[in-house]
Amino acid sequence: ETGVTQSPTHLIKTRGQQVTLRCSSQSGHNTVSWYQQALGQGPQFIFQYYREEENGRGNFPPRFSGLQFPNYSSELNVNALELDDSALYLCASSLAQGENEKLFFGSGTQLSVL
Amino acid sequence: RKEVEQDPGPFNVPEGATVAFNCTYSNSASQSFFWYRQDCRKEPKLLMSVYSSGNEDGRFTAQLNRASQYISLLIRDSKLSDSATYLCVVNGDDYKLSFGAGTTVTVRA
Repeated sequence: ETGVTQSPTHLIKTRGQQVTLRCSSQSGHNTVSWYQQALGQGPQFIFQYYREEENGRGNFPPRFSGLQFPNYSSELNVNALELDDSALYLCASSLAQGENEKLFFGSGTQLSVL
Repeated sequence: RKEVEQDPGPFNVPEGATVAFNCTYSNSASQSFFWYRQDCRKEPKLLMSVYSSGNEDGRFTAQLNRASQYISLLIRDSKLSDSATYLCVVNGDDYKLSFGAGTTVTVRA
């Protein structure tokens, strides 16, 4: 167990809807990163939050947005869902910005868009 | 071109065998290198970091070749529990981790 928890574990949405995924980071970790993993692919970096600010973003459109709260928990919001958004969404926390070696992943949210 | 490319496998090996596979990366400025292990649709877990001098962790040996921009992982004396997808991971200078698509290893009894 990593101490990183994600909710919900599974979610089914329809095209055009909006979704919010949640992540509680490991105690003391102030950096949270979000990844999207499509079936048969490796995780793709969406963005990272450090001390409540976005710090780095991957090649994802603006309809992917996020928040980090003062307790370092985080949300990933996706608007106008598309079929290709179906994937496993992984949250990872780390002790400090740049300390990627010590990334701790949550067990993910499996999102299905119909 | 993908930032990190891996042979997807699958590598199907008997218990006790040695299996090795590589990945290549495109960003010559990459700073850090890792192997993660992922069991079926579960979260990735850090297996080991990869250092320029090469490093071992029990039955696992990782090598880095910066000149050719490839990383290797070798598993000796394979166990059934080694069956998993192994993700090659590269960190550039922007804190972003780039993952390969993974190499699937199946160890059979």
